[in-house]
Amino acid sequence: DIQMTQSPSSLSASVGDRVTITCRASQNIGDFLNWYQQNPGKAPKLLIYAASSFQSGVPSRFSGSGSGTDFTLTISSLQPEDSATYYCQQSYSTPRTFGQGTKLEIK
Amino acid sequence: QVQLQESGPGLVKPSQTLSLTCTVSGGSINSDTYYWNWIRQRPGEGLEWIGYIYYSGSTFYNPSLKGRITISLDTSKNQFSLRLTSVSAADTAVYYCARENLVEVTAVSYLDYWGQGTLVTVSS
Repeated sequence: DIQMTQSPSSLSASVGDRVTITCRASQNIGDFLNWYQQNPGKAPKLLIYAASSFQSGVPSRFSGSGSGTDFTLTISSLQPEDSATYYCQQSYSTPRTFGQGTKLEIK
Repeated sequence: QVQLQESGPGLVKPSQTLSLTCTVSGGSINSDTYYWNWIRQRPGEGLEWIGYIYYSGSTFYNPSLKGRITISLDTSKNQFSLRLTSVSAADTAVYYCARENLVEVTAVSYLDYWGQGTLVTVSS
């Protein structure tokens, strides 16, 4: 199985801050990497697919980058509604695997 | 607009079988463009992929669930289903169904539509 490791596990930032979340794969997965946002009690929502492609309707302050084993989700200017847990997921092979999640709080 | 909706019992006794159905509306399940997934989330934990089924009936399951899973398709009802046998308290979770969109040219895929999730509690 491909292991996905996110860092940090949690972070606290202020409105307007630039926030970066990192995801590392245990082997080369090319650009088969997706990012999701999950609010409490809700289903995850797709933000970024194929490492850097924007899902329709997602605010432009969200962006993704990386390839191979190292990937990044960036929020350019943090908004209050961005408080959530963020997950990376690889779709390179089965079993599909997710990172453990990064809980983002607003100061 | 595509919508997915999980249904099934919210309480299952230990050692029994958990059965859930996902009804898809706004699009056909009988398409070579999608995988139909089950994913679960234990209370306070992260996301765990259970498995998926293709329109042809091909399935891929998470080996960690050790042969307890069956995912099936009913194209006449536009539904797919999950059966998980010999459940224990460790199977208590919110269960999500989700559509995995396959981009033919690049082979990338992503989970673009999710059900709202249904909590299944395993308890006597």
